Amino acid sequence: KQEVTQIPAALSVPEGENLVLNCSFTDSAIYNLQWFRQDPGKGLTSLLLIQSSQREQTSGRLNASLDKSSGRSTLYIAASQPGDSATYLCAIPLSGGYNKLIFGAGTRLAVHP
Amino acid sequence: EPEVTQTPSHQVTQMGQEVILRCVPISNHLYFYWYRQILGQKVEFLVSFYNNEISEKSEIFDDQFSVERPDGSNFTLKIRSTKLEDSAMYFCAGTVDSDTEAFFGQGTRLTVV
Repeated sequence: KQEVTQIPAALSVPEGENLVLNCSFTDSAIYNLQWFRQDPGKGLTSLLLIQSSQREQTSGRLNASLDKSSGRSTLYIAASQPGDSATYLCAIPLSGGYNKLIFGAGTRLAVHP
Repeated sequence: EPEVTQTPSHQVTQMGQEVILRCVPISNHLYFYWYRQILGQKVEFLVSFYNNEISEKSEIFDDQFSVERPDGSNFTLKIRSTKLEDSAMYFCAGTVDSDTEAFFGQGTRLTVV
C-alpha cells in the first residue's frame, strides 16, 4: 500500500533562504509525482509534475528532484519570499489507479520578512 | 490560462439535506475526479470518472454519493442525505490522460449543521 510522508510538517524561515521540502513514498513503482501549493482555505495549485523517467524538473525558483530507488522527492525553493508562504503537498498516483492521487499531509511553510 | 471552476465556494446545509456540488472542468480534459479534505487532514480521493462512467471509487464514496456529467461540460457531485461528517472541502480535478498532470479547482467548502 502506497504511503506518502512529508517532512518537516512545518517550517518557518526568514526571507531569502533556500529551502528543501521532503516527500517520501513506500512503493517505488510510480508513474510520476506531483507537487502542489495550497493557500489557507483554497484549492490546490499544481507546481511541478515529475515523470518517473525524470530526475529533475524546474519551474522558476522551484526545482523538484525524484529518486525512485530510495522513495524520495525533494522540492527546492530558491531565495524564498513571503509570498511563498503556503502548504506544499506532494502526491503520487496509485499504481494502475486512473490517476487516483495519494497525498502527503503537507509541509506548512511560513516565510517572514 | 484555463482553470477548473467550482460552485458554490461555500455551502451550508442541514443534516439530511441533499447537496449538489458543481464543477466545470478544463475543456480538453477527459478524466475527472472528486477529492475531499476534512479540516486538518490529508486530501483524499473520492471518485474518478471517465467516458461517462465511474472508473474507480473509494470506500468513502458510498450509496449516498453520486456523480454525473449531464451536459458534457458540468461535472457534479451529489450527496443525497448529508451527515455532519460530510463537512469538508470538496475539490474537483481533471486530467488530459490517466497519468498526466492533475489540475484542481478552488474547492467548495461544505458545512453540514
